[in-house]
Amino acid sequence: EPEVTQTPSHQVTQMGQEVILRCVPISNHLYFYWYRQILGQKVEFLVSFYNNEISEKSEIFDDQFSVERPDGSNFTLKIRSTKLEDSAMYFCASSGEVKAFFGQGTRLTVV
Amino acid sequence: QQQVKQSPQSLIVQKGGISIINCAYENTAFDYFPWYQQFPGKGPALLIAIRPDVSEKKEGRFTISFNKSAKQFSLHIMDSQPGDSATYFCAASMDGATNKLIFGTGTLLAVQP
Repeated sequence: EPEVTQTPSHQVTQMGQEVILRCVPISNHLYFYWYRQILGQKVEFLVSFYNNEISEKSEIFDDQFSVERPDGSNFTLKIRSTKLEDSAMYFCASSGEVKAFFGQGTRLTVV
Repeated sequence: QQQVKQSPQSLIVQKGGISIINCAYENTAFDYFPWYQQFPGKGPALLIAIRPDVSEKKEGRFTISFNKSAKQFSLHIMDSQPGDSATYFCAASMDGATNKLIFGTGTLLAVQP
């Protein structure tokens, strides 16, 4: 079965540094998402992306965050100046018309 | 109104038993209700999903029951196995799978051998 691929699996960064989380969605999907899961909590929506633009974003997705689909296959989430509270699992997801699939996640640790 | 409430928070079931997890929602615009299974350190994996035009959907040992009037839906795992031990999340969205998912708070299921 096709899958969503995320890299890296784990990233440790200093507070204030920029990080880029990368995702390769399923190839024929048109809708792309980033979600966040703080340890032991529920999965929270960050942003959705369709037709090369943001279609919706949550209040979590402030000016520190940005998304990009630079080359037609990758989908990236950039956090410009990381804070301790950005430590979480970040999941990329993609969907067609019927089902949404999630990647394995990137564990971001901000120290 | 965007919330999905899930219960119980945790569940212990004996091998071979039935696991039942419940969710409730308020927003009648939701039209897609998937269940995801998550193992520690992994991403959520789609188990089964239902639309509000049917009251039940079954795939193998997994069944979703949907009550539109009560705005509730539940996951039943028949013949529960130790390998089913995981966290289960219900979710809901508008416009099917092409819109963001609102997740429940999760249920940690432990199936005892």
